[in-house]
Amino acid sequence: TQLLEQSPQFLSIQEGENLTVYCNSSSVFSSLQWYRQEPGEGPVLLVTVVTGGEVKKLKRLTFQFGDARKDSSLHITAAQPGDTGLYLCAGAPGTYKYIFGTGTRLKVLA
Amino acid sequence: GAGVSQSPSNKVTEKGKDVELRCDPISGHTALYWYRQSLGQGLEFLIYFQGNSAPDKSGLPSDRFSAERTGGSVSTLTIQRTQQEDSAVYLCASTTSGYTDTQYFGPGTRLTVL
Repeated sequence: TQLLEQSPQFLSIQEGENLTVYCNSSSVFSSLQWYRQEPGEGPVLLVTVVTGGEVKKLKRLTFQFGDARKDSSLHITAAQPGDTGLYLCAGAPGTYKYIFGTGTRLKVLA
Repeated sequence: GAGVSQSPSNKVTEKGKDVELRCDPISGHTALYWYRQSLGQGLEFLIYFQGNSAPDKSGLPSDRFSAERTGGSVSTLTIQRTQQEDSAVYLCASTTSGYTDTQYFGPGTRLTVL
C-alpha cells in the first residue's frame, strides 16, 4: 500500500515565523502536487512538481521535490494569517490515481 | 466560467437509508474523481471517470457504493443502506485529462449518518 505521510500534523505559529511541512513516502512518484484547503471548501492546487530535485516558488511558498521523487517539502517564509489552512500533498505513482497525504493543519496567529 | 458544483452541500440521513450525491464538473473536463475525506484528514480515492472509458472503481469501500456519469458530464455517487462510518465529506474533482493537470474540486457534500 502506497502511503504519503505528512509532518507535522498540526502547527500553530505566530505571524512572521517560517515553517516547513514535509511529505514522505517509500514509493516513487511521477509527479507530486500540493494543495491548500480551507474549511467548507475543496482543496485548491498550489503547485505541481514533476522532476526530481525541482524547486518551485510561489510568492512566500517554496516547494521542493526530492531527488529520488519520494518526498517533498513546502517552506513558508514569514507566515501570515491568510496562510492558515489544511495543506495536503498528493502523489501520482504514474497514473491518474493520486494518493493524498494525511494533511498538515496550519494556524497562523496574528 | 463556473467551477465544480456539488449538491446537496449538507445531507443528514438515518442509518439504513440511501443517499445520492451530485457533482457538476467544469464544462469540457473529461476526467472526474470522487474522494472521501474524514474529519480533518486527507482524501481517500473512490472512483475515476475518464471520457467513455470504463471507470476505475477500485477505491469504492463496499458494494453499497456506486457511481455513474451520464453523458460524460454530471456524476452521481449513490450510497445504499448508509452506515455511521459513511459519515464524511464527499468531494468531487474534474480535470482536463492528464494526471499532472490541475484537479478542480467542488466544495463537497458533508454527509452525516445518524
